[in-house]
Amino acid sequence: GIQVEQSPPDLILQEGANSTLRCNFSDSVNNLQWFHQNPWGQLINLFYIPSGTKQNGRLSATTVATERYSLLYISSSQTTDSGVYFCAVERDDKIIFGKGTRLHILP
Amino acid sequence: EPEVTQTPSHQVTQMGQEVILRCVPISNHLYFYWYRQILGQKVEFLVSFYNNEISEKSEIFDDQFSVERPDGSNFTLKIRSTKLEDSAMYFCASSEWAELTFGSGTRLTVV
Repeated sequence: GIQVEQSPPDLILQEGANSTLRCNFSDSVNNLQWFHQNPWGQLINLFYIPSGTKQNGRLSATTVATERYSLLYISSSQTTDSGVYFCAVERDDKIIFGKGTRLHILP
Repeated sequence: EPEVTQTPSHQVTQMGQEVILRCVPISNHLYFYWYRQILGQKVEFLVSFYNNEISEKSEIFDDQFSVERPDGSNFTLKIRSTKLEDSAMYFCASSEWAELTFGSGTRLTVV
């Protein structure tokens, strides 16, 4: 089946820093989403981005479907950005998650 | 903003018992999903459901599990003969087409 790899697995940053999270996938996909799982366990949809670039405030994402990767950019990070960021791809009626990047923003 | 509602938020059950996890998807959504997340691990796909039938299921989704849409609003996951390793957070999600919206999850603890 399709493999979804996220990097880095863990990231510790000082508040105000910028970061780039990467998602690689092993085969062509129909769709891709980025999620943030907050420390309370809730999964929040950040971006639905099968291709191209989107921005929402301090967050932006770019998917290059032909090269099978997506990037999530977080600028001027805040402590509330802490949590796990998951990339999920859809193919053949299945949505498969990566293992996530655990982000810890220090005050 | 419309949301997916899951109940209960926490469930503790004895090993061997059956549990039913409930979800109310967003009303105009057509696709429904169940996922689980064992503590500290990745989110795993269990099953997708469309047009009143399972459209795809993972190898995890064996005969111990079943899903049902008993009426126009609820979507349930039944786990029979629960085992200790079924302890996890179970997430329901729905979508109109491809963009998922998740519920807040049910934390299931099997003791």
